[in-house]
Amino acid sequence: DQQVKQNSPSLSVQEGRISILNCDYTNSMFDYFLWYKKYPAEGPTFLISISSIKDKNEDGRFTVFLNKSAKHLSLHIVPSQPGDSAVYFCAASGRGLTGGGNKLTFGTGTQLKVEL
Amino acid sequence: DAGVIQSPRHEVTEMGQEVTLRCKPISGHNSLFWYRQTMMRGLELLIYFNNNVPIDDSGMPEDRFSAKMPNASFSTLKIQPSEPRDSAVYFCASSLDDGTDTQYFGPGTRLTVL
Repeated sequence: DQQVKQNSPSLSVQEGRISILNCDYTNSMFDYFLWYKKYPAEGPTFLISISSIKDKNEDGRFTVFLNKSAKHLSLHIVPSQPGDSAVYFCAASGRGLTGGGNKLTFGTGTQLKVEL
Repeated sequence: DAGVIQSPRHEVTEMGQEVTLRCKPISGHNSLFWYRQTMMRGLELLIYFNNNVPIDDSGMPEDRFSAKMPNASFSTLKIQPSEPRDSAVYFCASSLDDGTDTQYFGPGTRLTVL
């Protein structure tokens, strides 16, 4: 049972345009959400996060939006750059979950390609 | 800061052999996680430790997999005997229990079982 879903395995965007990556979750106990970026042959690196008490968090070109009622979050990259081409993973955690702690549940990832 | 260190980076072995993957977490971090990445299932959590104690091993696929953390600076993931379906990239990550839940990943070990 996939509790964190990224339904788009790939996304292609032109340089300078906006990239929007989507993520849905099913467990209402999740209260913290993160986005990771992964280049080939490297480990995932933390990009941005959001707590369930907020609906938006911004860091430079990256903004994460959270819609708790829809159990949906999205990552916006504006403007997109060729160096943003990577796999993006959405992850969620829930302190109220049994054995939760800082355990993360990851989606399957979306491959973003930013074209010149 | 050296980050999370994993060894080896690549491992090719034959079915039935024992495989040991190693991880050194970031100094001062008190949680350590082992993940497996496959095309079909993405990043799966296998097991995680907090203060060297295994907290959740529900993701360990079967008894052929075992993990240890003898001290705060070292952990191993062992597969015995290995099978071709174990071929994947295995990541180790560590974190500080500071409320942010941010995990820092190593570069991974690409395992190929022939």
